[in-house]
Amino acid sequence: GAGVSQSPSNKVTEKGKDVELRCDPISGHTALYWYRQSLGQGLEFLIYFQGNSAPDKSGLPSDRFSAERTGGSVSTLTIQRTQQEDSAVYLCASSPLRGGGDEQFFGPGTRLTVL
Amino acid sequence: AQSVAQPEDQVNVAEGNPLTVKCTYSVSGNPYLFWYVQYPNRGLQFLLKYITGDNLVKGSYGFEAEFNKSQTSFHLKKPSALVSDSALYFCAVRDVRNSGYALNFGKGTSLLVTP
Repeated sequence: GAGVSQSPSNKVTEKGKDVELRCDPISGHTALYWYRQSLGQGLEFLIYFQGNSAPDKSGLPSDRFSAERTGGSVSTLTIQRTQQEDSAVYLCASSPLRGGGDEQFFGPGTRLTVL
Repeated sequence: AQSVAQPEDQVNVAEGNPLTVKCTYSVSGNPYLFWYVQYPNRGLQFLLKYITGDNLVKGSYGFEAEFNKSQTSFHLKKPSALVSDSALYFCAVRDVRNSGYALNFGKGTSLLVTP
């Protein structure tokens, strides 16, 4: 079956611009996560969605970052007024969340470069 | 806080030899531990997990990991390495934050298998 997809695969933007990154999770998966992978920080959790519950935003690095999940499926991560330190690979993952032991299925990521 | 540590940035092994990629954990309560692999320009792929039960866990591509509670370790192993196993390996532990099941990842270990 189809895995997690993300778009765009690469995004180059200028400092100060806003960007939107999209994630399509595996159909039927109720949990959706965003992570950021950068050279200096490794893999960091950003935000988590579970069904209709309020998202866990505890990993977002600043108020320039926000995310939505519409209809319990597609998610968009928005970064406003991008900075050079936002350059990283943004990974989306989903899981069925039958329990805490469920593995997460990752998309290929969006590589963001802020010039 | 739940965390894992991967003490080696890189592991080199000759094809056909056994390989070990080390991971130690620090958790409160029972740990949920995972191993993921990342090939160049790809997202993370799940290899195996330990939730409960047998300390030796078998996963994808011939990999296995041994959960050792006394040493707080979860080392990844394979009896005979392949050149195609060369990749970046991440150990992770489930974070018991708030309501979610986000993963806390180690820094990653680059495995290089030489012919």
